[in-house]
Amino acid sequence: NAGVTQTPKFRVLKTGQSMTLLCAQDMNHEYMYWYRQDPGMGLRLIHYSVGEGTTAKGEVPDGYNVSRLKKQNFLLGLESAAPSQTSVYFCASSYARRGRASGANVLTFGAGSRLTVL
Amino acid sequence: GQNIDQPTEMTATEGAIVQINCTYQTSGFNGLFWYQQHAGEAPTFLSYNVLDGLEEKGRFSSFLSRSKGYSYLLLKELQMKDSASYLCAVRGYDYKLSFGAGTTVTVRA
Repeated sequence: NAGVTQTPKFRVLKTGQSMTLLCAQDMNHEYMYWYRQDPGMGLRLIHYSVGEGTTAKGEVPDGYNVSRLKKQNFLLGLESAAPSQTSVYFCASSYARRGRASGANVLTFGAGSRLTVL
Repeated sequence: GQNIDQPTEMTATEGAIVQINCTYQTSGFNGLFWYQQHAGEAPTFLSYNVLDGLEEKGRFSSFLSRSKGYSYLLLKELQMKDSASYLCAVRGYDYKLSFGAGTTVTVRA
């Protein structure tokens, strides 16, 4: 019963390097999200996906790219890391019920990935 | 977009009651959530309100007034393990969740 798994948990990068964060969920959720969390600013949505092969921009998408080639996986890429991208990144997933059936559509979060860009 | 405000910090004594307020201004409303986040861990779901009124779940209760753009989370019989950050989040018509900055609650013996 893994839920949402993020890898890696910690990473230190130099400015200009690239990397990919992997998120995997085993709950058959349609929706997946990438958030970043910074002190005093709460969780901010970077990109999200409403299904396999589709992605959309969130609140703070610049400097990031995403891909959802398989329903269970959502990748977040940094092509050229900057110190401003030092943050804790959370992946989350949820069902896609809408309207009266949406209920809570609760987000399940991964444990987070702490990224430091020097 | 969403504008969500909640206090930064609150301190209370073990066994007491604490009320965390959240006010929001949104371009569309489709539910309000409260999440708990212990230091260094992922947020976990606490409660959900979509209609006006009080939702009670054990020691935790959440209230919503849509006309006032206001919600509160009530924590009763505080325990040391309740020391955490509490996040208010609003879901808009696009079904995306926007979060407030969070309220750090410290429970003292």
